[in-house]
Amino acid sequence: EAGVAQSPRYKIIEKRQSVAFWCNPISGHATLYWYQQILGQGPKLLIQFQNNGVVDDSQLPKDRFSAERLKGVDSTLKIQPAKLEDSAVYLCASSPVGGRGGTDTQYFGPGTRLTVL
Amino acid sequence: EDKVVQSPLSLVVHEGDTVTLNCSYEVTNFRSLLWYKQEKKAPTFLFMLTSSGIEKKSGRLSSILDKKELFSILNITATQTGDSAIYLCAVRGSARQLTFGSGTQLTVLP
Repeated sequence: EAGVAQSPRYKIIEKRQSVAFWCNPISGHATLYWYQQILGQGPKLLIQFQNNGVVDDSQLPKDRFSAERLKGVDSTLKIQPAKLEDSAVYLCASSPVGGRGGTDTQYFGPGTRLTVL
Repeated sequence: EDKVVQSPLSLVVHEGDTVTLNCSYEVTNFRSLLWYKQEKKAPTFLFMLTSSGIEKKSGRLSSILDKKELFSILNITATQTGDSAIYLCAVRGSARQLTFGSGTQLTVLP
């Protein structure tokens, strides 16, 4: 079974530029998550999709971050404009259900390391 | 707000040692607790615990949950250099999202 795919693996941009990350979840997984992991910290959830609908985006800085999952499969996360503090690893994860049961496992992709100069 | 605290923050041991990593949590309507191992980038799933007092085992790794005292431990016996990684603990509550701790950085020296 193929895992969660993400691209690019690395990205270096200057502040105020825009950047986009792509994620393709495990086939058949209904739920997709984007996390931000700052060095030395655990991953922090940015947004959770169930199929093509947003379940939770309470921690997404909506003034500069946006995400979509139009067809309920792959997803993009965009930052516009980027700030220095956005430097982090952006992890995508997927799970089969992610619903109210709360017991399904999330599988992570390799992440994208973003450096904002 | 859900909260997860892991200790120690870092640990250095020699091959063959046994280590215990701790995870304490505060969460509304606990659903599950998960342990992940993070080498380089992607966290990889180790265990999910939902019931108190039932040990989960996988080779040299084991974990147990105490829902009364709100903590979990991850044990690694006969450590190897390949066990060197960050070990992340996460909990899921009524918010349905995972809240992660900051992790324990384990270094196993040959």
